[in-house]
Amino acid sequence: SAVISQKPSRDICQRGTSLTIQCQVDSQVTMMFWYRQQPGQSLTLIATANQGSEATYESGFVIDKFPISRPNLTFSTLTVSNLSPEDSSIYLCSVEVVAREQYFGPGTRLLVL
Amino acid sequence: GIQVEQSPPDLILQEGANSTLRCNFSDSVNNLQWFHQNPWGQLINLFYIPSGTKQNGRLSATTVATERYSLLYISSSQTTDSGVYFCAVELHSGGGADGLTFGKGTHLIIQP
Repeated sequence: SAVISQKPSRDICQRGTSLTIQCQVDSQVTMMFWYRQQPGQSLTLIATANQGSEATYESGFVIDKFPISRPNLTFSTLTVSNLSPEDSSIYLCSVEVVAREQYFGPGTRLLVL
Repeated sequence: GIQVEQSPPDLILQEGANSTLRCNFSDSVNNLQWFHQNPWGQLINLFYIPSGTKQNGRLSATTVATERYSLLYISSSQTTDSGVYFCAVELHSGGGADGLTFGKGTHLIIQP
């Protein structure tokens, strides 16, 4: 397994601003992923972040709204830009540790007013 | 894309009861995982089970890849088993790991 931390754990933001979420892993991993969980819903993949390459976004998610950085094998950030109330969700990062099994961070709860 | 369907959507049981949760998926998969999301939102890995059968204490899981379904069994339920159980799959591909597609989950409530 892996120990994954996220910062902040929660935040309340005003519409029109941005929030950057950090994901830190205690070991080097190739594949990192970002997911969104809207209230009462399941998880949806936002993008895949590999070190040294551009993130790959899923349909419905664009880089201008969700820019991602992956500067090294233990760290990634997700920024949610130009916030609106519809962005209120839990944002989770995950990593592939061994044999395709993914482990998830504790999540960042975002409320946009 | 791949479809993942979980049933039942909601389940209320008395403590000590057994339950079976089902996950159907529409295509061949490289990866299938079961998670428990606790009331604090943390996703807890239960099983990595693209095929075969595994057991861990009171929980066990079986995936029949050829028939595209997986089952999660919970025996002797405890109140701490309450929460949402998610099945998630990774579409079969020849490349590296891809993200997971999640089902909508089964919301389980265990009453004392």
